[in-house]
Amino acid sequence: GNSVTQMEGPVTLSEEAFLTINCTYTATGYPSLFWYVQYPGEGLQLLLKATKADDKGSNKGFEATYRKETTSFHLEKGSVQVSDSAVYFCALDSGGGADGLTFGKGTHLIIQP
Amino acid sequence: AAGVIQSPRHLIKEKRETATLKCYPIPRHDTVYWYQQGPGQDPQFLISFYEKMQSDKGSIPDRFSAQQFSDYHSELNMSSMALGASALYFCASSLGREGNYGYTFGSGTRLTVV
Repeated sequence: GNSVTQMEGPVTLSEEAFLTINCTYTATGYPSLFWYVQYPGEGLQLLLKATKADDKGSNKGFEATYRKETTSFHLEKGSVQVSDSAVYFCALDSGGGADGLTFGKGTHLIIQP
Repeated sequence: AAGVIQSPRHLIKEKRETATLKCYPIPRHDTVYWYQQGPGQDPQFLISFYEKMQSDKGSIPDRFSAQQFSDYHSELNMSSMALGASALYFCASSLGREGNYGYTFGSGTRLTVV
């Protein structure tokens, strides 16, 4: 079946540090890949996505590249801010039907001033 | 722009009571998905509906049921709830059952069973 593995948190960084959150996946076929962000007490918001190999998704300074050869979709940001503190979920959509998304366990990111 | 609306935002129920959660998808979206997110956990897919018919079923407990109505809104019903039902319940909607145009999530209903 499909699965998503992402690095466990919490990840604590200082403001303006470089961020990488690793995500690898297992899926049949050619899934679409997503990063969602969840701020405290709020719902899931789509951060970025990529639908095919070598696509790069980007938004708000975050980016991730769909690497089929390593089955990875690592999230990166060059300079994090305190406001980036949230839980980040990597997810995939196998596209095989209406079974929705398969999520990773989430990575709690804490940015200290 | 209109988003996915879930109601209520918060709900407190006692054990063995019944609860109904509602989800109103984005206009013209024909597919609705329900997810359950336990404390500190990742969202788990429960069930989906496409064009008012059940489409896929995930890890939905036996005491839960759901349906999609003619106006495409969906309701998740939970009966005889146990403490373990306490979670954040998300609804998402999409255009088309394979989500090719993306998914939009609601803000969730936080259910607390006491």
